[in-house]
Amino acid sequence: AQKITQTQPGMFVQEKEAVTLDCTYDTSDPSYGLFWYKQPSSGEMIFLIYQGSYDQQNATEGRYSLNFQKARKSANLVISASQLGDSAMYFCAMRALYNFNKFYFGSGTKLNVKP
Amino acid sequence: NAGVTQTPKFRVLKTGQSMTLLCAQDMNHEYMYWYRQDPGMGLRLIHYSVGEGTTAKGEVPDGYNVSRLKKQNFLLGLESAAPSQTSVYFCASSYTGEGDTQYFGPGTRLTVL
Repeated sequence: AQKITQTQPGMFVQEKEAVTLDCTYDTSDPSYGLFWYKQPSSGEMIFLIYQGSYDQQNATEGRYSLNFQKARKSANLVISASQLGDSAMYFCAMRALYNFNKFYFGSGTKLNVKP
Repeated sequence: NAGVTQTPKFRVLKTGQSMTLLCAQDMNHEYMYWYRQDPGMGLRLIHYSVGEGTTAKGEVPDGYNVSRLKKQNFLLGLESAAPSQTSVYFCASSYTGEGDTQYFGPGTRLTVL
């Protein structure tokens, strides 16, 4: 069975500092995709970053990077130089390629950036 | 290019009433999904479709039905609404590749009294 765990319901970070949001996953599939999404208070879901299970290097997209540790089954999101606009809910998700490409989501982390 | 659209954006129902939520995408995606989002629980998959004319149950399908008669549309039906179905409903669609993200609609906020 596939499962995504986000153990930080809420976090605070000072503006301009870096923050790491934790995500662990459980799957027995050999191939899968890992995604992070941002949900601002306005409600829309915004795709941030993707990591493939066979990718050797950690994914990066601007200020976002994904710290992928396959042996530990963790896919932590790192946001560098936090901005006030980063305050939002963040969801980790896994795409199960061997299970009809279904996506499994964690319960989310609420990030608050303090000025 | 509108992406993924959902109709309606808000709805209030009385217990026992029925309704249909419409999701439309213009990206020619094969896969479409319906989720519900409740506070503190993330997104839970209700039903999904891997192509026109196909549907399958997700994690929480009870009380819902779906249809995908056209590739671009995915309908979610509530036959007899219950207060436990009060939630925000998101539709999403995606291509078939490993690295292909889901594209989400803006959501429908449903309240069942």
